[in-house]
Amino acid sequence: QVQLQESGPGLLKPSQTLSLTCTVSGDSITSGTYFWSWIRQPAGKGLEWIGRIYFSGSTNYNPSLKSRITISIDTSKNQFSLQLTSVTAADTAVYYCAREDTLVRGGHDYWGQGTLVTVSS
Amino acid sequence: DIVMTQSPLSLPVTPGEPVSISCRSSQSLQHGNGNNYLDWYLQKPGQSPHLLIYLGSNRASGVPDRFSGSGSGTDFTLKISRVEAEDVGVYYCMQALQTPRSFGPGTKVDIK
Repeated sequence: QVQLQESGPGLLKPSQTLSLTCTVSGDSITSGTYFWSWIRQPAGKGLEWIGRIYFSGSTNYNPSLKSRITISIDTSKNQFSLQLTSVTAADTAVYYCAREDTLVRGGHDYWGQGTLVTVSS
Repeated sequence: DIVMTQSPLSLPVTPGEPVSISCRSSQSLQHGNGNNYLDWYLQKPGQSPHLLIYLGSNRASGVPDRFSGSGSGTDFTLKISRVEAEDVGVYYCMQALQTPRSFGPGTKVDIK
């Protein structure tokens, strides 16, 4: 059973850097079939795709956030991570990590439970 | 970037009745391989989204057959043949043709 679990600080001050890690179990992050994604959702609002990484380290980012985000992968720990710099209140959201199958079937087929990140002074 | 729209945004339903949700994209989601890169997700209250339909019309593993997806190009539809109380939540379409991925605004389905 594939599981994804987000972890990281839940409270940040404006201008700090958000750092989240997604730990994958039940599957190898080096599987060439999948991309590993970050998606966020402000309270009461819709879903926003942040970006994704392939096991090779290749990344795709949302241009709206590109100047502030870095997604990295640690194959030895079966984890991938998100860094978002210079956070503001607008970055307050539930952050999800997810697995996207783009080679065999399709869709984000496994999601983490989500972690709430609040930006407040 | 591809812009996704959905209608309606709110949909009160009666259990046992059919339901239809529309999704439109600002450009065609049909690839040269013939596939339409459109997924549907359901986010039940208090839960993470989960995948219902991929590539426009393929049910994800474990999804009941009362859910079906159809459409091509820029116009897509999610249908529930007979809605059940457990189907309440917000339904999102997402284009998977290109990055950045983009979601529709969501359709909130609840019981009348």
